[in-house]
Amino acid sequence: EVQLVESGGGLVKPEGSLRLSCAASGFTFSRYSMNWVRQAPGKGLEWVSTISSSSTYIYYADSVTGRFTISRDNAKNSVYLQMNSLRAEDTAVYYCTRDLSLGMPRGFDYWGQGTLLTVSS
Amino acid sequence: QSVLTQPPSASGTPGQRVTISCSGSSSNIGINTVNWYQQLPRTAPKLLIHNDNQRPSGVPDRFSGSKSGTSASLAISGLQSEDEADYYCAAWDDSLNGWVFGGGTKLTVL
Repeated sequence: EVQLVESGGGLVKPEGSLRLSCAASGFTFSRYSMNWVRQAPGKGLEWVSTISSSSTYIYYADSVTGRFTISRDNAKNSVYLQMNSLRAEDTAVYYCTRDLSLGMPRGFDYWGQGTLLTVSS
Repeated sequence: QSVLTQPPSASGTPGQRVTISCSGSSSNIGINTVNWYQQLPRTAPKLLIHNDNQRPSGVPDRFSGSKSGTSASLAISGLQSEDEADYYCAAWDDSLNGWVFGGGTKLTVL
């Protein structure tokens, strides 16, 4: 059974930093691209970042470029999101998702339960 | 302002057929496939339709997707109370080099 478990969310002050983690199990992690998608309270879904299976290709939404860094450790079956210079508008539930194909980005077939980040003074 | 445009709400009675539209552009829906996600209240989203019209295993055939040009649609036939949820369309955007979502459509079963 595919499982994605996020951790690391919490309350952070503006301009602070935080690292989210996502532990994957139930599939061959090293073969799949992984993504972060967020949802602000009461709002819609917003894609944040994508990392390919071997970290060769990395993509970011314009809203986080230069502040967030996605990475992965295939030996630990984990993907991370380092978030710096946090703003109030980064407040959201952050979901870790698996890409549904082994090649080009095709969509998100499995989602974690999400971890809440709150940016507030 | 979302890159993909969906109606904010839709409604229907049990047994009815409803459709939800998703409008994009030549850099996303026009050249890439569309996915649809269902988000039940207080839960993580779930993949409902991928590759324009493909249902993952376990998704009832009451749900169907279609695409024409730069627009896509999700149809739900035989509407049931448990279909009450938020629905999102998404596509890869070649100009933005990233995924774009619609703003979501809240479906109410009357």
